[in-house]
Amino acid sequence: DTEVTQTPKHLVMGMTNKKSLKCEQHMGHRAMYWYKQKAKKPPELMFVYSYEKLSINESVPSRFSPECPNSSLLNLHLHALQPEDSALYLCASSQGDGISNQPQHFGDGTRLSIL
Amino acid sequence: SQKIEQNSEALNIQEGKTATLTCNYTNYSPAYLQWYRQDPGRGPVFLLLIRENEKEKRKERLKVTFDTTLKQSLFHITASQPADSATYLCALGASGNTPLVFGKGTRLSVIA
Repeated sequence: DTEVTQTPKHLVMGMTNKKSLKCEQHMGHRAMYWYKQKAKKPPELMFVYSYEKLSINESVPSRFSPECPNSSLLNLHLHALQPEDSALYLCASSQGDGISNQPQHFGDGTRLSIL
Repeated sequence: SQKIEQNSEALNIQEGKTATLTCNYTNYSPAYLQWYRQDPGRGPVFLLLIRENEKEKRKERLKVTFDTTLKQSLFHITASQPADSATYLCALGASGNTPLVFGKGTRLSVIA
């Protein structure tokens, strides 16, 4: 079992739907991340939150909207996604402020399929 | 532009042998380098971190080296076991406000 919990594990949605991915950690980490991973590719960073504030947005389309309600929770709100957005979405957390040289702890991801 | 290359997409070795995986980089000055293991359908799991001023790090059967002159890191698994079969990712981080950048990974298969 990982210490970063992501829900749901699988999600199928239409291009007009609105859904949210959730991530939770109780390790006291103050940096949290969203990554997107396509098959046989490395994780690609989307967003970094440091102390509950968005510190990095890697030019992600606005149909992806992150939210950090508190230090333990991270959400990714999805709206009007495209089929090419189908991927594994990984959440991670780390000590420090998100730009330091700390190991990242990953959840097992949400497998997202866009119809 | 920055480039991270892991020597091969797939590597097969016999059980009991030492597996050596390579991570090369160009146009980059990392302050540290991390190695992760990823199993199918799971998130990456952190294994080792090595800083630019360190030559070698060990953890149980794992050893990582970091040569900033050659711009290369080597990741060794000694006495490999079938349970070591997975994809191994290297990730580089620079000092300052820059996030980790992952290589494409090497899929290791240890054959009994």
